[in-house]
Amino acid sequence: NAGVTQTPKFQVLKTGQSMTLQCAQDMNHEYMSWYRQDPGMGLRLIHYSVGAGITDQGEVPNGYNVSRSTTEDFPLRLLSAAPSQTSVYFCASSSTGGAGYEQYFGPGTRLTVT
Amino acid sequence: RKEVEQDPGPFNVPEGATVAFNCTYSNSASQSFFWYRQDCRKEPKLLMSVYSSGNEDGRFTAQLNRASQYISLLIRDSKLSDSATYLCVVGLYSGGGADGLTFGKGTHLIIQP
Repeated sequence: NAGVTQTPKFQVLKTGQSMTLQCAQDMNHEYMSWYRQDPGMGLRLIHYSVGAGITDQGEVPNGYNVSRSTTEDFPLRLLSAAPSQTSVYFCASSSTGGAGYEQYFGPGTRLTVT
Repeated sequence: RKEVEQDPGPFNVPEGATVAFNCTYSNSASQSFFWYRQDCRKEPKLLMSVYSSGNEDGRFTAQLNRASQYISLLIRDSKLSDSATYLCVVGLYSGGGADGLTFGKGTHLIIQP
């Protein structure tokens, strides 16, 4: 099993560009989520999904969109990149219930916006 | 406001020593507690869940003190491979979505030979 995979591993964008960070899991987990991690900050939740077709906002959703058309995939779209979105992005999945169950993280995408 | 506080360290500890660090949380309604480990430039991975009665996994012991709202992690006979950042994670629910989780900023541990 690959677990949770993310692409790309690294990305440099110019301000105003858009892009999609890909996330896929092969564990048939219902819950998927996106976090960002910045120096000196804890992981902060951007968006999450409790199943295909259902998404909701987390703590820091502005500037990001998500969709969940399948159980396996949960892409994160940056609509118009800003330097404040320079961060490490982690996708995670969990089964049945996210808070009470282990979060499986992908390897992360390191994004720099210039 | 959900808050989870940790001493960022770094804790510099000689190999073979015992090290302990705490994490405090502000929401008394919190129901689930975890320690995650994050190696440099890697993703977080679950180290252990923390149960009300305390629990042990090899050299690692976790304790929960609901009255004082803190959890602790004790590492005995520390190894060089224990060097990492340890994230305290607190869940508002016993089960549910990722929106119920709050991550601490982490405690950086360095084991020295």
